[in-house]
Amino acid sequence: TQLLEQSPQFLSIQEGENLTVYCNSSSVFSSLQWYRQEPGEGPVLLVTVVTGGEVKKLKRLTFQFGDARKDSSLHITAAQPGDTGLYLCAGVRGNNRLAFGKGNQVVVIP
Amino acid sequence: NAGVTQTPKFQVLKTGQSMTLQCAQDMNHNSMYWYRQDPGMGLRLIYYSASEGTTDKGEVPNGYNVSRLNKREFSLRLESAAPSQTSVYFCASSEWLQETQYFGPGTRLLVL
Repeated sequence: TQLLEQSPQFLSIQEGENLTVYCNSSSVFSSLQWYRQEPGEGPVLLVTVVTGGEVKKLKRLTFQFGDARKDSSLHITAAQPGDTGLYLCAGVRGNNRLAFGKGNQVVVIP
Repeated sequence: NAGVTQTPKFQVLKTGQSMTLQCAQDMNHNSMYWYRQDPGMGLRLIYYSASEGTTDKGEVPNGYNVSRLNKREFSLRLESAAPSQTSVYFCASSEWLQETQYFGPGTRLLVL
C-alpha cells in the first residue's frame, strides 16, 4: 500500500497553460516536501510545507498543505518547457523517515 | 561543491556477478540513504544509515548489503546480481532523518 498517492501520474499540457497535481494520504504528516526530478538526474528539493493550510510560492509554482496535514497540491501557472519533470512529494512520518510518492510526470509542450 | 557523488554512473553485469556502488557526500551530513527507482514504482528505500555506525533496512533490502564506511561514505553491495535488480540507484544524504535529502546523480545498472 502506497502511503502517499500522487495524481495524475502523467500530465501533458501546452506551454502557457495552468496545471495542478495532487499528493494525498490517509496519514498525518509533520511536514511535506516537494522535489522535482529532471531526466537523468536525482530529485532536487523545491519546498517544504509544515503548517496545515500553509501556502508557499516559488515563482510560478504554488504549493499548498492541507488543513489536516494529510494532503498537498502543486499548482503551476503559465507552464514553461523548463517545468517538465517528475514531481515527487515526500512526507515525514512518526519515525522521522521520509516516505515518497510515485510522482507526477509533467510534460510541457512548447 | 560536489554534494553527493556516486560511482559508477553506468554498469552492466551478468547474472550472479557482484559489485559495489559507491557514494560519498561532502556536506557533513549524518544520515545517508540508498534508493532504487523503477518505472511506475517511484523511489523505494533499500537501506539507510541514520548516523555513522548504524544501518537499517528500508522497504526492499533483499539481495543487498550496505556499509557505512565513515561519516562521508555509504556503499551498496550486490552479492549475486539478478535481472530484477536492473534499476537506477540513487544515494542521498541529509543532516538528520527528517530533513531535506540531497541526491546524487544516480547509477544506471543493467543485469543481463
